[in-house]
Amino acid sequence: QVQLVQSGAEVKEPGASVKVSCKASGYTFSAHYVNWVRQAPGQGLEWMGWINPNNGATNYAQTFQGRVTLTRDTSMSTAYMELSSLTSDDTAVYFCARRWRQLGPDAFDIWGQGTEVTVSS
Amino acid sequence: QSVLTQAPSASGTPGQRVTISCSGSSSNIGNNYLYWYQQLPGSAPKLLIYRNNQRPSGVPDRFSGSKSGTSASLAISGLRSEDEADYYCAAWDDSLSAVVFGGGTELTVL
Repeated sequence: QVQLVQSGAEVKEPGASVKVSCKASGYTFSAHYVNWVRQAPGQGLEWMGWINPNNGATNYAQTFQGRVTLTRDTSMSTAYMELSSLTSDDTAVYFCARRWRQLGPDAFDIWGQGTEVTVSS
Repeated sequence: QSVLTQAPSASGTPGQRVTISCSGSSSNIGNNYLYWYQQLPGSAPKLLIYRNNQRPSGVPDRFSGSKSGTSASLAISGLRSEDEADYYCAAWDDSLSAVVFGGGTELTVL
């Protein structure tokens, strides 16, 4: 079935970087943008950016410009989100989500299960 | 402070009809499609409504969306206990060049 499976939970120290993976299956990976959304504990959803797996083009939210890098490995049907210079404010669950353009330019129809990232010394 | 404004909570009894509102501006809701997501406790969000008022396959017709100007609403009729969840509205914002979400509305079924 169509699914996105993310890597496991991470614990990082302040100032470090974290890289989360998102493996797609059940559909043509290169045909749909992959978006990243995070959710701090008890808080709402925050969009981080997208990557076009077909050509590697990216678009980042201004909030994360310079700190986030989205990449992909088409041979592995996997997208990656790397966030650097971590602070305690980056403690959150990070989700990847597929954009299904037929439903709208910002319709996220398939979501990964989420990856919990904890930043703590 | 979220760009899209939602009431933090809503409630209803089984069988009742409840409405969740989302308010924005001309740079987001007023000029772009509105989406609704449902997030059950401990789960990833699920697309509930796309393009303002369309339901993905598998979403019951008890859920309906509407948009007027810079505001939107999600209506849930025949409320059921399994509808207890957080509901988020989302839209593209032309000024921010970003997808923006509402702060979420926690729906309680009494």
